[in-house]
Amino acid sequence: EPEVTQTPSHQVTQMGQEVILRCVPISNHLYFYWYRQILGQKVEFLVSFYNNEISEKSEIFDDQFSVERPDGSNFTLKIRSTKLEDSAMYFCASSASLGYGYTFGSGTRLTVV
Amino acid sequence: RKEVEQDPGPFNVPEGATVAFNCTYSNSASQSFFWYRQDCRKEPKLLMSVYSSGNEDGRFTAQLNRASQYISLLIRDSKLSDSATYLCVVNKGYGGSQGNLIFGKGTKLSVKP
Repeated sequence: EPEVTQTPSHQVTQMGQEVILRCVPISNHLYFYWYRQILGQKVEFLVSFYNNEISEKSEIFDDQFSVERPDGSNFTLKIRSTKLEDSAMYFCASSASLGYGYTFGSGTRLTVV
Repeated sequence: RKEVEQDPGPFNVPEGATVAFNCTYSNSASQSFFWYRQDCRKEPKLLMSVYSSGNEDGRFTAQLNRASQYISLLIRDSKLSDSATYLCVVNKGYGGSQGNLIFGKGTKLSVKP
């Protein structure tokens, strides 16, 4: 079964540092997403991406966040200057059609110290 | 009113029991409805989509009432492997918002031998 692959599985970073979370979506999917889940809380939408541009972003996705599809396979989330409250599990997802048939990656646990 | 609200749980049931989860959503523009399951510290996995006519997949039955903005999931003959957190998920609405999934906080189910 096709998978969405995320790396690294766990990243520890110091406050104020930049981090890049990487994702390889399923190859024939066209829509890409980032979600996050703070420990003990609900999964929250960050951003959707289609045709090399952001389709929609949430209030959480401020100027500190950016996404990129640098080549035909990777989809990255960059946090420019991490804060303690950015500590969370970040899930990448992809789908063939908008809003349906999501496949989530196994997540990157980001710990900001 | 919360965007997606679920029974807080946890539900502790014996093997073989029937268990029902309820969910309400606030956005009448939502078009797509899902139940996901999430194991501890893992990614959400789609259990089933929910349609107005109701749908069944083996031991799982989902119902949607658009007028009441209410979604349910019934698990019959519960197994130990059903132990997980069950997430009620709706999309935000039309157009580009179709890809923005709104998650409930989830209801934890623990099936005991």
